[in-house]
Amino acid sequence: DAEITQSPRHKITETGRQVTLACHQTWNHNNMFWYRQDLGHGLRLIHYSYGVQDTNKGEVSDGYSVSRSNTEDLPLTLESAASSQTSVYFCASSDHSRDTENIQYFGAGTRLSVL
Amino acid sequence: GNSVTQMEGPVTLSEEAFLTINCTYTATGYPSLFWYVQYPGEGLQLLLKATKADDKGSNKGFEATYRKETTSFHLEKGSVQVSDSAVYFCAMDSSYKLIFGSGTRLLVRP
Repeated sequence: DAEITQSPRHKITETGRQVTLACHQTWNHNNMFWYRQDLGHGLRLIHYSYGVQDTNKGEVSDGYSVSRSNTEDLPLTLESAASSQTSVYFCASSDHSRDTENIQYFGAGTRLSVL
Repeated sequence: GNSVTQMEGPVTLSEEAFLTINCTYTATGYPSLFWYVQYPGEGLQLLLKATKADDKGSNKGFEATYRKETTSFHLEKGSVQVSDSAVYFCAMDSSYKLIFGSGTRLLVRP
């Protein structure tokens, strides 16, 4: 079965370190997204991609970057981790086709703690 | 700008009670609307959707009707179960992105 996997599931890091969170999907979807989930804020979009070599900033992109070198992967990098980036991160993917009607499929999440 | 507003939780109900979680949206045009559910320790999964006005989405006993007059997409279930305890998110499509509400935690007690 097609799926979307995130790794690691849990990560503890120190302020100032670079951290990369992995996201891999086997749906062959064009679109991929990164969100962060914080209490009281729901899910907020960090970055997204509509295809290979395409990346776009979401509403909370400062301090984060992504790259899309193939269809399956969209790694999220925190250039210099800050305590404000302690959160749960979710990756999602979707397709453009009319049949799928923009349904997004989510990974299980990565819980990141920045100490 | 486009936004989604849903009722704050937590909502605590007894098993077999009736559930309503309110959701309203602000948008230009008529976006597709979704309800996602998040069980403890898991990612979000689609519960139901509606793509145009007056459409009713339904799944697992949950229903929501797309009301363009009131710009609403309220989630309802006639008889909740303990297993329905989760966080529920209302969302709308915006150029292939999703805009989410802040989520409503539902706790169902036996």
